Amino acid sequence: DQQVKQNSPSLSVQEGRISILNCDYTNSMFDYFLWYKKYPAEGPTFLISISSIKDKNEDGRFTVFLNKSAKHLSLHIVPSQPGDSAVYFCAARGRRGSYIPTFGRGTSLIVHP
Amino acid sequence: DAGVIQSPRHEVTEMGQEVTLRCKPISGHNSLFWYRQTMMRGLELLIYFNNNVPIDDSGMPEDRFSAKMPNASFSTLKIQPSEPRDSAVYFCASSLTTSGSVDTQYFGPGTRLTVL
Repeated sequence: DQQVKQNSPSLSVQEGRISILNCDYTNSMFDYFLWYKKYPAEGPTFLISISSIKDKNEDGRFTVFLNKSAKHLSLHIVPSQPGDSAVYFCAARGRRGSYIPTFGRGTSLIVHP
Repeated sequence: DAGVIQSPRHEVTEMGQEVTLRCKPISGHNSLFWYRQTMMRGLELLIYFNNNVPIDDSGMPEDRFSAKMPNASFSTLKIQPSEPRDSAVYFCASSLTTSGSVDTQYFGPGTRLTVL
């Protein structure tokens, strides 16, 4: 039973356009959400996070939006660049019980020049 | 800091052989995680150590898998005997955990295991 779902295995975007990566979760105890980026032959690296007390967090070209009522978050990349081509993992963790993040299966983003 | 170090980067072995994967976490981190990445299941947590003690090993697939952390700077994941379905990329990650809350995880480059 997947508690963190990334339903789009891949996304293709033109350079300069917006990339929107989506993530849904089922566990209402999750209160902290993270996005990791992974290049081929490398490990995932932390990109951006958001706490459940916020609905938006921005870091340069990257913005994460959280909709708690819908149990949905999204990562926006504007403008997209070819170097953003990677696999993006959504992760979530709770405030009690297990604090270990649960990861989604990832979305492969390809940004075409 | 060199980051999380994993060895070997690639391992090809035959079914039935023993495989040992190694990890050196970032100095000062008190938590270590072993993950397995496959196309079907994404990133799965296998085992989590805190202060060298295994806290959660519920993700370990079966008795063929074992993990140790003899000290704060070294961990191993062993598969014995290995099977073709164990073929995957295995990641080690470390983090600083305070009051039970896991901070940002730093991942190693992974070990790509192929079992023939």
